[in-house]
Amino acid sequence: ETGVTQTPRHLVMGMTNKKSLKCEQHLGHNAMYWYKQSAKKPLELMFVYSLEERVENNSVPSRFSPECPNSSHLFLHLHTLQPEDSALYLCASSQGLLSPATNEKLFFGSGTQLSVL
Amino acid sequence: GQQVMQIPQYQHVQEGEDFTTYCNSSTTLSNIQWYKQRPGGHPVFLIQLVKSGEVKKQKRLTFQFGEAKKNSSLHITATQTTDVGTYFCAGPRGGGNKLTFGTGTQLKVEL
Repeated sequence: ETGVTQTPRHLVMGMTNKKSLKCEQHLGHNAMYWYKQSAKKPLELMFVYSLEERVENNSVPSRFSPECPNSSHLFLHLHTLQPEDSALYLCASSQGLLSPATNEKLFFGSGTQLSVL
Repeated sequence: GQQVMQIPQYQHVQEGEDFTTYCNSSTTLSNIQWYKQRPGGHPVFLIQLVKSGEVKKQKRLTFQFGEAKKNSSLHITATQTTDVGTYFCAGPRGGGNKLTFGTGTQLKVEL
């Protein structure tokens, strides 16, 4: 148990569906992240939030829409996805934003394994 | 853009053998972090290195940061089956609030 909880653990959806991934952290952290992990590819940063403000949108298609209602919760809304979007979506948090001057580290959730049919 | 490559991509060893993964960045890094992801699991932070030439040890794991701060290595002495997983290095980019993860090295340990 890392203190970062993601639901659902597995999700199968059609290309016309709308679904949402949920992440909740119980660590009192101020920064939250969405990462995408595809087979045989490095972890890809998608979004960064700090104190509910989006500070990074890493050229992610608009069919992925993040929402951060408070510093403990992060959502990823999915709409009209493509089969190539099938991947493990990982949520992470850190006390503050990562910085070269600090020892901040990422705490990952268990991820949502997404399959788009 | 910044790229972080790791070699080898895969490594199979017999239990008790040593293992090393190497991480190389196209740009100088202010620091480097290492994470381990067990099969079916999520990445877990192992360590952060900051100083040029820094060496840190965690039991059988030895982490090293290169003098030029563009490369790093993780060495495991006498591997055990519990060491199985994928090891990632990660370095900050941009304003530092983003981590670029390496391609990872998948370690399998056979009895």
